[in-house]
Amino acid sequence: GQNIDQPTEMTATEGAIVQINCTYQTSGFNGLFWYQQHAGEAPTFLSYNVLDGLEEKGRFSSFLSRSKGYSYLLLKELQMKDSASYLCAVRDGDYKLSFGAGTTVTVRA
Amino acid sequence: IAGITQAPTSQILAAGRRMTLRCTQDMRHNAMYWYRQDLGLGLRLIHYSNTAGTTGKGEVPDGYSVSRANTDDFPLTLASAVPSQTSVYFCASSLDSNQPQHFGDGTRLSIL
Repeated sequence: GQNIDQPTEMTATEGAIVQINCTYQTSGFNGLFWYQQHAGEAPTFLSYNVLDGLEEKGRFSSFLSRSKGYSYLLLKELQMKDSASYLCAVRDGDYKLSFGAGTTVTVRA
Repeated sequence: IAGITQAPTSQILAAGRRMTLRCTQDMRHNAMYWYRQDLGLGLRLIHYSNTAGTTGKGEVPDGYSVSRANTDDFPLTLASAVPSQTSVYFCASSLDSNQPQHFGDGTRLSIL
């Protein structure tokens, strides 16, 4: 099976930066995804990493180190609307996606 | 509006009953997936289909069946519902197994 770990909860202040870490152990690796999920809604795609390094998309960036089995999602200039759950998902050797339990980020004014 | 549609939005069902959750997409995506989401466990893959006419088992397939008769539809059937199948069910699709998945709005299912 797959083992994907991320913190359960994080709290930060509006305008600040938050980094959500994700570590994984999988049988085969074909990419890592980050999704955002607001309470009661569907997950929405944020970012995708398949090679080592940093991918930047506006206020959100995602980093991957395949040798360390590690990724992080960086949220900059936090806004109240960023309060949500952030899901780390790894695609294994069979191209199936396994999700971590998610990190709930609360942004305070 | 193009996207992925799930029905019903929510359902309360008596244990032992048969139930089919519907999922339709109009994006001509080849791959489709069913997940269940439970508190503290995250999304878990039930079944998937990489292309019309083929299906595969995910992490938690027991008690569920799927079919993929065409590209657009991917229904999930609970043959005889049990309380442990109370969950939020998400259908997703992607252009192919390489691409990001897009999720429907979910079906909230309670088995009593």
